[in-house]
Amino acid sequence: DAKTTQPNSMESNEEEPVHLPCNHSTISGTDYIHWYRQLPSQGPEYVIHGLTSNVNNRMASLAIAEDRKSSTLILHRATLRDAAVYYCILRRQGAQKLVFGQGTRLTINP
Amino acid sequence: GAGVSQSPRYKVAKRGQDVALRCDPISGHVSLFWYQQALGQGPEFLTYFQNEAQLDKSGLPSDRFFAERPEGSVSTLKIQRTQQEDSAVYLCASSFYGRLYEQYFGPGTRLTVT
Repeated sequence: DAKTTQPNSMESNEEEPVHLPCNHSTISGTDYIHWYRQLPSQGPEYVIHGLTSNVNNRMASLAIAEDRKSSTLILHRATLRDAAVYYCILRRQGAQKLVFGQGTRLTINP
Repeated sequence: GAGVSQSPRYKVAKRGQDVALRCDPISGHVSLFWYQQALGQGPEFLTYFQNEAQLDKSGLPSDRFFAERPEGSVSTLKIQRTQQEDSAVYLCASSFYGRLYEQYFGPGTRLTVT
């Protein structure tokens, strides 16, 4: 499985945008980029996924570099509820399991 | 609607005891996964079912771990002769077949082996 690299922790302020980076320099052409987050004492929660093009949904936006070796999860206006561990995951097309790394612990200051 | 539920939420077992952890997936979800999450780590894949068929059990750490899903809905993860290193949160996830990118996780069962 291709490896992802994320900062251990990040901090931001409420109502400000947050950009969470992920490096995946060994990504292959059939690897999808997924983001999940895990709130305290809960199971992980799907946020967004993409292959090549940028993606938007009600929770966040995913910006994928042209060479696909990095991506950024964007929370447009952080709330206290967005404090969580965010995982960037590569999943090969057709593969079933998710391979989680350490993730980025995001702290939101009021 | 109802999400994935797991029971019990907490389990304390003495070393050497057998435990059974239950997962009720979202109705209609064909795919079911078990993951193990040690303290401070990301979840690690244990096993995967499509309906009642266990298609991947490559992540089960030893033959003390056994999972089943006999009728293609509820699943049970059984750990025999528990050891201290089995202490972790056990997470169950389910998804529609063909939408494996969106796995719905339950709250987990925290197992503590003393």
